[in-house]
Amino acid sequence: EVQLVETGGGLIQPGGSLRLSCAASGFTVSSNYMSWVRQAPGKGLEWVSVIYSGGSTYYADSVKGRFTISRDNSKNTLYLQMNSLRAEDTAVYYCASGYGPLDYWGQGTLVTVSS
Amino acid sequence: DIQMTQSPSTLSASVGDRVTITCRASQSISSWLAWYQQKPGKAPKLLIYKASSLESGVPSRFSGSGSGTEFTLTISSLQPDDFATYYCQQYNSDLTFGGGTKVEIK
Repeated sequence: EVQLVETGGGLIQPGGSLRLSCAASGFTVSSNYMSWVRQAPGKGLEWVSVIYSGGSTYYADSVKGRFTISRDNSKNTLYLQMNSLRAEDTAVYYCASGYGPLDYWGQGTLVTVSS
Repeated sequence: DIQMTQSPSTLSASVGDRVTITCRASQSISSWLAWYQQKPGKAPKLLIYKASSLESGVPSRFSGSGSGTEFTLTISSLQPDDFATYYCQQYNSDLTFGGGTKVEIK
């Protein structure tokens, strides 16, 4: 059974940094395209970033230059390093498999950017 | 960037009703469209991909149609478990989601 589990969310001050993790089981992160999608409280879904199986990475304009997606193949884990955080980055962050239809999703981790 | 517009934003319906949700793309996306169901506090669940292909395990009362810029999600007979928010998503160029349609009990 495929399982994706996100951790690392929390309360952080504006301008701060946070690293989210997404541990996978029943599934090989490095063999798949993996995405991060976020959802601000009470709002819709927004794609954030993708890492291809070959290692190429792409970002939404709203996070380009501030967020970095990566993976650790030995740990079968996906990461999202978030720097220079802003209030508008407050959201539940989901990791998901794919970069088209997103077929497996984690449960999400809440990031709150506030002073 | 491709914009996705869903309508209506809220829909009130009863169990057994036929429900249709519309999604429009700002430019042609061929059939590169997916539909998701999301319940409060939960992650989205993939229902339909490539506009009309049913994801494994999804009940056959869900169906999708359309191509180019106009798409629909239809629930043929609404069940109690179907009250949720539905999102369309294009994957022709990056990923963009529609604003969502909340299906609530009438």
